[in-house]
Amino acid sequence: GDQVEQSPSALSLHEGTSSALRCNFTTTTRSVQWFRQNSRGSLINLFYLASGTKENGRLKSAFDSKELYSTLHIRDAQLEDSGTYFCAAEEAGGYKVVFGSGTRLLVSP
Amino acid sequence: AQTIHQWPVAEIKAVGSPLSLGCTIKGKSSPNLYWYWQATGGTLQQLFYSITVGQVESVVQLNLSASRPKDDQFILSTEKLLLSHSGFYLCAWSPGPNERLFFGHGTKLSVL
Repeated sequence: GDQVEQSPSALSLHEGTSSALRCNFTTTTRSVQWFRQNSRGSLINLFYLASGTKENGRLKSAFDSKELYSTLHIRDAQLEDSGTYFCAAEEAGGYKVVFGSGTRLLVSP
Repeated sequence: AQTIHQWPVAEIKAVGSPLSLGCTIKGKSSPNLYWYWQATGGTLQQLFYSITVGQVESVVQLNLSASRPKDDQFILSTEKLLLSHSGFYLCAWSPGPNERLFFGHGTKLSVL
């Protein structure tokens, strides 16, 4: 099976609402990263977590290395939050980074 | 500040023709470098990584090869393209293991 299971695969939000994305890991992972990919294909690194939580504006991410999951919370969604969100897990050794299948987020007025 | 540049932006190639894609990182010495491939609407699949000049490790076999001729340069190539090589190729770098990945803008490849 896939090492990184990401859900949901697609999500629609109205502006101003909030939601969460989740990634489950089937094996121990050293760290997790979250990315957003825009319509042109460019990937932005949103978070890198080895443990705990991080917050950046309306985005907040958590990583539970013992329970093998990570979440990305989007608060007060805006149109510019639309895109595809990927989580990625780092295998032991630090050179292989496995991506989840992505969540396509559409924020509408 | 570090910058990453990929070239070309897009390519249309014939089946059986050769391919060379490039990536250059400026502002960071001895970065870890990575090549990823993404099918349309799909996830990112790691192809190669390199931690030093002249050393490249393959993660998955897709009839592609990679080289790192200089500290700041990473090249992806093949002598004969397949239809299945179509997709989006992304180069990335990190300061070291267990650190953030930063991506280039990618190259869209169409094999006809």
